[in-house]
Amino acid sequence: DTGVSQNPRHKITKRGQNVTFRCDPISEHNRLYWYRQTLGQGPEFLTYFQNEAQLEKSRLLSDRFSAERPKGSFSTLEIQRTEQGDSAMYLCASSQGQTNEKLFFGSGTQLSVL
Amino acid sequence: QKEVEQNSGPLSVPEGAIASLNCTYSDRGSQSFFWYRQYSGKSPELIMSIYSNGDKEDGRFTAQLNKASQYVSLLIRDSQPSDSATYLCAVTSSASKIIFGSGTRLSIRP
Repeated sequence: DTGVSQNPRHKITKRGQNVTFRCDPISEHNRLYWYRQTLGQGPEFLTYFQNEAQLEKSRLLSDRFSAERPKGSFSTLEIQRTEQGDSAMYLCASSQGQTNEKLFFGSGTQLSVL
Repeated sequence: QKEVEQNSGPLSVPEGAIASLNCTYSDRGSQSFFWYRQYSGKSPELIMSIYSNGDKEDGRFTAQLNKASQYVSLLIRDSQPSDSATYLCAVTSSASKIIFGSGTRLSIRP
C-alpha cells in the first residue's frame, strides 16, 4: 500500500491556460473522488468514479472542468481556460467503495492562477 | 441549505476537558457518517465512522448519530493539545457520493 499519489504538488499558471492534474489511487480501490478545498472551507465535491465510470459531477462545476479515469486506474482532472477563482487545493481520494467507504487522501495539488 | 452543516468555530476547550462537535445533514437518505481530522497544511484523515443510531466509542472519541433529527456529533474526552485541528463531518448521500461539511476548528488550550 503506497498510498494515494498526486502530481504535481504545486502548479502555478497564468489565467486562460489549461492545466491537468494526475491522481494514482491505492491499487485495489475502485472508487476515486476529486475534491477542491480553499482556506477555511471543507473539501468541495467535484466528481467521483466507480472503476472507469464517472458516476456524478457536481452541478456547480463549470464545463471547463473535466475528469477521466481510463481503465479504472489513475485519474486526470483538467481545467481549461483557468480563472483566478480556480486557485485552490485539489484533493484526490480513493476507497474500496460500498464495502468500505473510508477515504484515503493524497497530499493534493495546490493550484495558483495568476 | 447546505447538504452538511457545521459550526466553523473556532471552538476553544481547556486541556483535559470534553470537546463536543456537531453536524447536521439535509439528505434523509444518507446512510453512512464520518468524522475526519485535518491538521493545518495536511490532508484529511478518518477518525470515526458510524452507520446506525446511537453511540460508537473508540478510545477517547465517541460518535453519536440521530437519523430522525439528522444530527451527528463527535465527543473528544480528555482533550489533548494534539487534538487541535479542523474536524470535518462527512456524509454519504443517497446518491452514494461523500459530501463534507465546512469543518469546525478546534483549539485545545493548556
